[in-house]
Amino acid sequence: DAGVIQSPRHEVTEMGQEVTLRCKPISGHDYLFWYRQTMMRGLELLIYFNNNVPIDDSGMPEDRFSAKMPNASFSTLKIQPSEPRDSAVYFCASSFPSGGFADTQYFGPGTRLTVL
Amino acid sequence: GENVEQHPSTLSVQEGDSAVIKCTYSDSASNYFPWYKQELGKGPQLIIDIRSNVGEKKDQRIAVTLNKTAKHFSLHITETQPEDSAVYFCAASLNSGYSTLTFGKGTMLLVSP
Repeated sequence: DAGVIQSPRHEVTEMGQEVTLRCKPISGHDYLFWYRQTMMRGLELLIYFNNNVPIDDSGMPEDRFSAKMPNASFSTLKIQPSEPRDSAVYFCASSFPSGGFADTQYFGPGTRLTVL
Repeated sequence: GENVEQHPSTLSVQEGDSAVIKCTYSDSASNYFPWYKQELGKGPQLIIDIRSNVGEKKDQRIAVTLNKTAKHFSLHITETQPEDSAVYFCAASLNSGYSTLTFGKGTMLLVSP
């Protein structure tokens, strides 16, 4: 398996622009997570899906952030409008919990976002 | 909610030495504790995990210990090698229904040849 795939790997944009990050989870995994990583705050969970349905979006920082999962093999995280403080590395992860409990999360390589 | 504290934030050792990273958690109901390794430019990868019914688990040069009474768990790396240099994250999770992971802030380990 190719693992979790994220695109783009790097994104540089100007403040106010819309940014869309993409993720393809591992085939067969039914949980998908979006994280943000910064030096100051570490790894923060933004939102997660189960069977394409958003379960908990309490980590989404503002209404400028939105996420969708239209099917089992694709998810997007959108920021509109983007701000310099959104600059971070965004990770997508997927898992297939055994017995319904927390299990290994497989992370993608991340998207490094820079908002000028 | 769960809070995970991780120490130290940076750790420098000589090749061949042992390295220990410690984490504490706040929710006594947590009972799944994984450790992730993140190399530069990559996403975190699971290296070892432990569940609360076990006090210690080993995998070659790495081991994890868990003290549920004190609510702390530790990662031990023996005979460190330069390729062990990375950022290590601990995490904790509840084992009731599906629960997300709460991560520590990470420890940057540098192993000098």
